[in-house]
Formats: sequence, C-alpha cells, structure tokens
Amino acid sequence: NAGVTQTPKFRILKIGQSMTLQCTQDMNHNYMYWYRQDPGMGLKLIYYSVGAGITDKGEVPNGYNVSRSTTEDFPLRLELAAPSQTSVYFCASSPDSHTEAFFGQGTRLTVV
Amino acid sequence: AQRVTQPEKLLSVFKGAPVELKCNYSYSGSPELFWYVQYSRQRLQLLLRHISRESIKGFTADLNKGETSFHLKKPFAQEEDSAMYYCALNAGSARQLTFGSGTQLTVLP
Repeated sequence: NAGVTQTPKFRILKIGQSMTLQCTQDMNHNYMYWYRQDPGMGLKLIYYSVGAGITDKGEVPNGYNVSRSTTEDFPLRLELAAPSQTSVYFCASSPDSHTEAFFGQGTRLTVV
Repeated sequence: AQRVTQPEKLLSVFKGAPVELKCNYSYSGSPELFWYVQYSRQRLQLLLRHISRESIKGFTADLNKGETSFHLKKPFAQEEDSAMYYCALNAGSARQLTFGSGTQLTVLP
C-alpha cells in the first residue's frame, strides 16, 4: 500500500523561485492537509481540503496556494520562495475529520 | 481558537521507569484528542485517541476536561519507545487537526 506519497523528498530553492510540492493518496480519502514543521515547533496547518474542488486556508497560508482537482492529488504551490519558507512539509489525508490522519514522509525544503 | 501545549521539548527516562508526556489544550467545546508518534526515519503515525480509550504499546491517555489535559502515560518505558510524540486536537467548525510542538522522548538503557 502506497498510502500518502510526497515528492520530492528534498529540494533547495533560490529566493524568488517557485515550485510545486506533490501529494497523492490512494486511499480514496476525502480530507487532505498540508502542514509545515519548523525546527522545535509543532506542525502548523497551511491549507486543507474536505473534498475535490474544495480548499480552505489553515493557520499559515500566506505564500502558498493549493488545488484539489481530484480526490487523489493535493499539490502545494510556492510562489516567490522566501527563506522563511524553509521547513519540512507534510501532507496528510483522512477519510473524515474524526478519524486517523495518514501522513506522507515529508519534504525538506531549503530556500537560500 | 484551539491550542495544544506540550511543555516539555525533551524528556529522558531510564528503561523500566514510568513516563508521562504532558499535553494541555484550550478549546471551549468537546474536543477529540490524539497522540501521534514519529519514530526515527518513519512517518508520523497515530498512537492512540481518547475516544477509543485503548492502550497501545502499553501507553494510555485519559482526557481530563476539568484540567484540559490529555497526558500520555506508560508504567514501564522501553528503549523502543524513544521517539517524537505529538499531542493533537481535532476541533473547530472545520475540524482542523491542531498539533502541539512535540516532546522528544529518549529512553536510556
């Protein structure tokens, strides 16, 4: 079982560049989430989606965009990367809001 | 707004000793609380949730609404329990999962 798959695992970006972090899940889950984890901090919610075509902002959405055109995919777009976006990014999915969230392996992003 | 506080960033205990990882939350409604664990080089995964009132790998956690706490306990720690532990709260109109900052548990031989 693949579960939640994130690509890439690592990436170095220059300031001002843009990129898309990919996330796909094969469990037919409705809910998907993007979190960032800064050193010594908890996971902070960037964006989430409760189903295809529906997205909403989390706690720290500035500088990011998402889309949910299919149930499986929930890409996170960074426009004009900034050093403050250096972090580890986690994608997760769950069948509904009351049950277990399944996480990807994470993407370590460095902006220099 | 909901918030989860884990006051200890680091916690070390000796093998066989009891361990308690603290978690306090703030939310005015009826919360759903979880403990997630991340072992070295593995994904973040669910350890247990308060609603199921179960014991997983010897760990238990009781929701104390009066103290707004959900501390994780194990009577006899094992070296394989060494990991990062996150307390999480599922609440709010959109049922967002809010995480604490985590506690790195090290069980010494």
